[in-house]
Amino acid sequence: AQSVTQLGSHVSVSEGALVLLRCNYSSSVPPYLFWYVQYPNQGLQLLLKYTTGATLVKGINGFEAEFKKSETSFHLTKPSAHMSDAAEYFCAVSGHNTDKLIFGTGTRLQVFP
Amino acid sequence: EAGVTQFPSHSVIEKGQTVTLRCDPISGHDNLYWYRRVMGKEIKFLLHFVKESKQDESGMPNNRFLAERTGGTYSTLKVQPAELEDSGVYFCASSLPGLGSFEQFFGPGTRLTVL
Repeated sequence: AQSVTQLGSHVSVSEGALVLLRCNYSSSVPPYLFWYVQYPNQGLQLLLKYTTGATLVKGINGFEAEFKKSETSFHLTKPSAHMSDAAEYFCAVSGHNTDKLIFGTGTRLQVFP
Repeated sequence: EAGVTQFPSHSVIEKGQTVTLRCDPISGHDNLYWYRRVMGKEIKFLLHFVKESKQDESGMPNNRFLAERTGGTYSTLKVQPAELEDSGVYFCASSLPGLGSFEQFFGPGTRLTVL
């Protein structure tokens, strides 16, 4: 069965610092991988996804993630945090025969001035 | 273009009562999903409609939950009778027709509190 682990339920960074949110997955075959973001009082918004091809994926708002099959990881990074990045971030996977998403427990990012 | 909408945004009910949640997907999106997040835990899949048909309902917790999607447009999720453990945020999402649409568009969720 597929599962997703997000290390760190809360991450705090200073404005301008590197953002690194960790995601590891468990799957018998490489799944499709996603990062979603939820801002307060809003629905989840897709940041980026990996399906096939290039393993370094660029998303919206300057975020990117790299699929590393050998490490079963899909960590999310952003070189320089902005106050507006404060939100909750969810890593998710889906299989090749189903679109249902399996989520991690989420990481709440705080950005300090 | 309107996004996925959900109604109500909040609902507070007592144990044993009935609640019905509604989801309006993006127009043209045949796929409709329901998910639930219990406080402090991960968002969990409940079920998937393709048009009006239930494609996968493997995540439905028990027979107190009934989902419908009449006419393949909006969907309702009824909880009857509600229990304390049903409290959480219920999300609806929709996506374009076909397997592998990849991007699911989420609504803001309905926060259900069962007292």
